[in-house]
Amino acid sequence: GIQVEQSPPDLILQEGANSTLRCNFSDSVNNLQWFHQNPWGQLINLFYIPSGTKQNGRLSATTVATERYSLLYISSSQTTDSGVYFCAVGENSGNTPLVFGKGTRLSVIA
Amino acid sequence: EAGVVQSPRYKIIEKKQPVAFWCNPISGHNTLYWYRQNLGQGPELLIRYENEEAVDDSQLPKDRFSAERLKGVDSTLKIQPAELGDSAVYLCASSLEGGDEQFFGPGTRLTVL
Repeated sequence: GIQVEQSPPDLILQEGANSTLRCNFSDSVNNLQWFHQNPWGQLINLFYIPSGTKQNGRLSATTVATERYSLLYISSSQTTDSGVYFCAVGENSGNTPLVFGKGTRLSVIA
Repeated sequence: EAGVVQSPRYKIIEKKQPVAFWCNPISGHNTLYWYRQNLGQGPELLIRYENEEAVDDSQLPKDRFSAERLKGVDSTLKIQPAELGDSAVYLCASSLEGGDEQFFGPGTRLTVL
């Protein structure tokens, strides 16, 4: 099955710093989502981005499907950005199960 | 619009006891998923429903796990009997028919003692 690798596994930032999280996947995908899992365990949808670039406030994401990677950019980080960021992919379009990476644990300190 | 609802949020049981989790998807979402998340890992699919039909249950340990979605809306996942290794967070997600983006509930954290 498809493999998803996320890097770095852990990241500590000073408040206000910028960061880039990476997601590599082993095969072509038709679905890619980025999630933020907050300290209470809730998975929050950040981006649905099987290709292209999107921005939402301080967050943006880019997926280069032909090269099998996606990047999540966090600018001007805040303590509330702390948590685990997951990349998840689906091989087929339409209601396909997601395969998750192991996540990047982000800690933003004041 | 209400999100995916799950209950209970937490459950602690002794091994060999039964346990059940309930999920109500986002209104209008025909596809429902159950995932299990072990500590320090990403979620992994257990079963996927299209309306009331289980279309992908290859990862469900059928000797002790069962699931149902009788009317194509809410769903129940059951474990009987529970083992120590079943301790995990059980997540429910839903998506529109033919859609790709999945939305997750808050999960049920199960501890088996």
